[in-house]
Amino acid sequence: SQKIEQNSEALNIQEGKTATLTCNYTNYSPAYLQWYRQDPGRGPVFLLLIRENEKEKRKERLKVTFDTTLKQSLFHITASQPADSATYLCALGWGGGADGLTFGKGTHLIIQP
Amino acid sequence: DGGITQSPKYLFRKEGQNVTLSCEQNLNHDAMYWYRQDPGQGLRLIYYSQIVNDFQKGDIAEGYSVSREKKESFPLTVTSAQKNPTAFYLCASSIDQLSEQYFGPGTRLTVT
Repeated sequence: SQKIEQNSEALNIQEGKTATLTCNYTNYSPAYLQWYRQDPGRGPVFLLLIRENEKEKRKERLKVTFDTTLKQSLFHITASQPADSATYLCALGWGGGADGLTFGKGTHLIIQP
Repeated sequence: DGGITQSPKYLFRKEGQNVTLSCEQNLNHDAMYWYRQDPGQGLRLIYYSQIVNDFQKGDIAEGYSVSREKKESFPLTVTSAQKNPTAFYLCASSIDQLSEQYFGPGTRLTVT
């Protein structure tokens, strides 16, 4: 079965630096990959989607890369701020009538002022 | 004000009772989903529906049931057959299965 790995330990980053989060998967490459932000006690909020034929996607301070050879996606937040502190979830989708998304456990990001 | 709502936010039940969690969306989305989240765990798919009057089991459907009689509504019933029902339940919707999902605020269910 598909396995998704995200850093299980919290990631501490100094304010203003770039935070880089990793999402690794096994077996079949997904048709697309999504990143979500989740704050404590709340539902996830969609951030970015990248498809298998795309190498990179950007949105404001966020950047996602997708390497199907390495079976890895990297999620970057540049000029990080304390308000960026949250848990970030990676999710894989295969589409084509398959099930909904398969989520990783998430990485807890802490931006220290 | 478009969005997806879940009610109630907190729910307490005694063991052996069935309980129904509400999920409503006014985004005109065809697809809807139910996930369960336990502490330190990722979201796990319970059921999903691509269209009205149709739904499919996810990875952990045992002990749960759903209905999709209206496009806007996708209620989840947690039955007494679910061995560990205490969890945070999240409902989501999307235009289709290839698009981003919009999540509700969640319902935290505690069964004692």
